[in-house]
Formats: sequence, structure tokens, C-alpha cells
Amino acid sequence: AQSVTQLDSQVPVFEEAPVELRCNYSSSVSVYLFWYVQYPNQGLQLLLKYLSGSTLVESINGFEAEFNKSQTSFHLRKPSVHISDTAEYFCAVSALGNEKLTFGTGTRLTIIP
Amino acid sequence: DTAVSQTPKYLVTQMGNDKSIKCEQNLGHDTMYWYKQDSKKFLKIMFSYNNKELIINETVPNRFSPKSPDKAHLNLHINSLELGDSAVYFCASSLGLASTTGELFFGEGSRLTVL
Repeated sequence: AQSVTQLDSQVPVFEEAPVELRCNYSSSVSVYLFWYVQYPNQGLQLLLKYLSGSTLVESINGFEAEFNKSQTSFHLRKPSVHISDTAEYFCAVSALGNEKLTFGTGTRLTIIP
Repeated sequence: DTAVSQTPKYLVTQMGNDKSIKCEQNLGHDTMYWYKQDSKKFLKIMFSYNNKELIINETVPNRFSPKSPDKAHLNLHINSLELGDSAVYFCASSLGLASTTGELFFGEGSRLTVL
């Protein structure tokens, strides 16, 4: 069975500062990895995903994540955050042969003006 | 034009009552899901249907019964509601199976409060 760990439940960051949200996974088979974002009182939206190919994936709003197989990580980064990035961020994993998409416990990103 | 819509958005009810939450998607997807998000934001899958067939059924009490009349609809009926059922329930859909495409489209959630 696969699992996801997001060690940081809350991350406060000053506006225009860089941020990294950590995600580690566990699986005995090949995985697909995802980051979802949940803005207040809304459903989750896919931010970016790694299925295969280049280990560095990017979103349209400046976030990027790098799949690191040796460290079983898929950390999310942004070089300069904005107030509008305030949201809950969820890392998720699915493993080949398992139809479940398993979510981490989420990291609340708070941007300080 | 809402892609995945759930009704009602808010539901407040007494313990022991029976309630339903409806979900509809207009994306032409063939797989639909119900997720439960608790007060700590933990998101856990409950059920998944692919072309009206149940493919995932987590360890959910029998009081929860999903129904998929067609592939655009997945409703959730809950009998004998308990305090612990209070949560936000999210419906989602995907084109194909989540393990290969990964992209789920979520509704806005239905907040259930059991008093």
C-alpha cells in the first residue's frame, strides 16, 4: 500500500519570499505523484503532476515540484509567493495497480503581507 | 457552468436521521468518487464508481450507501446519522482511473453537521 507524509501542517511565509512544502511518499511499486490546492471553502484543484519523463514539473502559476526517487520525495517550491497563494496544499500518490489516489494530511500555506 | 456539482452545500441534521447528498458531473467522465474530509482536513476516499460499477469501497460503515444511476451521477445516502459523520463530503470525477491520469475534478463540498 502507498502512503504520503506531509510533515508541515502549517507554513507561514512573508509575501515575495520563497517557499518549500515537503512531501515524502512510500510505495513498493512505481508511483505517480500530484499536488492539489484547496482555496478556502472550495474543492481541491490539481496543481501539477508527475507521471513519467522529466522529474521537474511546473504549474502555470509559478509552482514547481521535483520527483526524487532516491529520497522518495516530491517537494513543492515557489521562488516568490503572493497573497493569493494562501491555501491548503495536498500531496497525493497513486501506485501502479492500485486505483486509489492517497492524499497527505495537507499543509496550510499562510502568506504574511 | 459547474463541472462537478453537489447538493446541498450545507446540511444540518439530528442524530439518527437519514440524509442524502447528490452529485452530478457534466465532464463526460466515467469514474466518480466520494471523499470525506474531517475537521483536521484529512481527506479519505470512501467509494469509487467506474461506469456505474463499484470499484473502490473502503472500510465505510454500512450506513453509507452510494448509488450511481448513470455515469454522470453518484449520490450518497447515509442512514442513522452519528456525530462522527460530521465532515465535508467531496464528490469528484476523473476521465479513466485515477491511478493513471491522476487528475480528479472536485465539487465544492457538502458540509454535514450532525447535532
